[in-house]
Amino acid sequence: DVKVTQSSRYLVKRTGEKVFLECVQDMDHENMFWYRQDPGLGLRLIYFSYDVKMKEKGDIPEGYSVSREKKERFSLILESASTNQTSMYLCASSWTSGRLYETQYFGPGTRLLVL
Amino acid sequence: AQKVTQAQTEISVVEKEDVTLDCVYETRDTTYYLFWYKQPPSGELVFLIRRNSFDEQNEISGRYSWNFQKSTSSFNFTITASQVVDSAVYFCALSDLSWTGKLIFGQGTTLQVKP
Repeated sequence: DVKVTQSSRYLVKRTGEKVFLECVQDMDHENMFWYRQDPGLGLRLIYFSYDVKMKEKGDIPEGYSVSREKKERFSLILESASTNQTSMYLCASSWTSGRLYETQYFGPGTRLLVL
Repeated sequence: AQKVTQAQTEISVVEKEDVTLDCVYETRDTTYYLFWYKQPPSGELVFLIRRNSFDEQNEISGRYSWNFQKSTSSFNFTITASQVVDSAVYFCALSDLSWTGKLIFGQGTTLQVKP
């Protein structure tokens, strides 16, 4: 059974704080992704990683960084949280098969509120 | 450019009714995957089905069925005899052909099944 977990379901932070969102998968997937979901804007890719210590920017990387020190763990970092980063954050992981990436499995999401 | 359109923003049905969720996609490539995900109120995106672009065979899984037609670029999802537990937001998605492997999501259809 596939399993992606995220460190928090709900998080409240102050503007300017450094925020860490953790994601862990137990499926030995090469690829991991961070999306944010906002009403009216849908799901947008922030960053992804295709291997340990490897990362690539997605569509909206500004204000975020990531870390992947171990294959199973992918962290999203908000260096200095701002109110416009209030959102739902979803982590996903997948295998790689040839040219196409396989099914992405998602974690439960973290609802972040920045005050 | 790749795009997924779910024209139905919200659908409301009474329990036991059948309901079809529409999905139309645009892509320039001949090889791609299409997906459906369910997002219940808890927030987690739950994988329902993946379809390879070469496989146009319709699929049935219990009360769920999917109709994939390349000629009309559609991948519609039907729930037969809907139940209250089917109430959720449903997303159709297309695999991106860039090397990020990101999913291109539609805006989602909110399905409300009333008792």
